[in-house]
Amino acid sequence: GNSVTQMEGPVTLSEEAFLTINCTYTATGYPSLFWYVQYPGEGLQLLLKATKADDKGSNKGFEATYRKETTSFHLEKGSVQVSDSAVYFCALRSGANSKLTFGKGITLSVRP
Amino acid sequence: DAGITQSPRYKITETGRQVTLMCHQTWSHSYMFWYRQDLGHGLRLIYYSAAADITDKGEVPDGYVVSRSKTENFPLTLESATRSQTSVYFCASSSASGGAETQYFGPGTRLLVL
Repeated sequence: GNSVTQMEGPVTLSEEAFLTINCTYTATGYPSLFWYVQYPGEGLQLLLKATKADDKGSNKGFEATYRKETTSFHLEKGSVQVSDSAVYFCALRSGANSKLTFGKGITLSVRP
Repeated sequence: DAGITQSPRYKITETGRQVTLMCHQTWSHSYMFWYRQDLGHGLRLIYYSAAADITDKGEVPDGYVVSRSKTENFPLTLESATRSQTSVYFCASSSASGGAETQYFGPGTRLLVL
């Protein structure tokens, strides 16, 4: 079956530091990959996505590249801000159905 | 305002009581979903619906019931609440199945079962 593995958290960084959050997956077929973000007290919202190998999703300074050879979709940002403090979820969808499979999420805290 | 809303936002109940969580979306999306979020588990799918009157089980359906008589509403009922159902519940919707279709999430309902 499908599964998503995220690196263990939480992660605490200083403002302007470089961010990498690892995500690897197992899936049948050719999945679409997503990063969702959950700000404190809110629901999840889509951050970025990629639909095929070597695609790069980007939004708000965040980037992730769909790496089929390593089954990975790591999230990166060159310079984090305090406002990036949130929980980040990696997810995939594979096949004809619309169900998302989520990783466990990782909490990012950015210090001023 | 357009979007996806959930009610109530917070609920405290007692073991054995029936509780219904409401979800309403204004986009006429075909697909709707219920997830629960628990520390250490991320989000787990409870039930989903592909259209009005069509529902199916997700990963953790036991103890929950859903219905979808109208496209825009997808209520989740806990028939006899248990402490293990204390969680944050999220409703989501999407316009189509498969591929890169985005799911849009509601703000969540925090449920405490005493």
